[in-house]
Amino acid sequence: EAQVTQNPRYLITVTGKKLTVTCSQNMNHEYMSWYRQDPGLGLRQIYYSMNVEVTDKGDVPEGYKVSRKEKRNFPLILESPSPNQTSLYFCASSPGTELSYEQYFGPGTRLTVT
Amino acid sequence: QQQVKQSPQSLIVQKGGISIINCAYENTAFDYFPWYQQFPGKGPALLIAIRPDVSEKKEGRFTISFNKSAKQFSLHIMDSQPGDSATYFCAASRDGGYQKVTFGTGTKLQVIP
Repeated sequence: EAQVTQNPRYLITVTGKKLTVTCSQNMNHEYMSWYRQDPGLGLRQIYYSMNVEVTDKGDVPEGYKVSRKEKRNFPLILESPSPNQTSLYFCASSPGTELSYEQYFGPGTRLTVT
Repeated sequence: QQQVKQSPQSLIVQKGGISIINCAYENTAFDYFPWYQQFPGKGPALLIAIRPDVSEKKEGRFTISFNKSAKQFSLHIMDSQPGDSATYFCAASRDGGYQKVTFGTGTKLQVIP
């Protein structure tokens, strides 16, 4: 089944404790992206990647890191989480070509930082 | 800075009615305008999308109307059904979907029987 998977789905952590949220897609997509969703603010892009080793900042990159060492994986790293990073996080992937720019979203990761 | 403004924030429509959601953008370099539908507990899913070389695109009961000069686009849901109750997001990006993507703030639609 073609899908985007995220782990963990739920995470409660404390301020300053480094964490990684994994994202993997099995559709051989070039483009991958991370978003956070907050009430009243919609979806805001954190980072995106056009291909392996190519990443760029979205609208809200502060406090986050990403890496794209393999085409299928795009982990999101919070080096020192803070309470304002409590949010619902979505990973997405897309062929990123003229044939289709559709983004396929994962199921989401709900993060709480206390 | 919100580059894509979406309204209304919430919308209640009777079954069979027309739901209309509006978005306005600022960056004239945007060239891809998708709408995503999100059900509770799920990730967003593409509903319909348009490029600026056409003024309207229709897929079933869903239509995008695009006004390039006004920098506005809207989603029309004809014959709205209770199953359409969801949150809808407009978005915009440059170079198709290969660059940064900016989403609107979302519209929660409730279709009542």
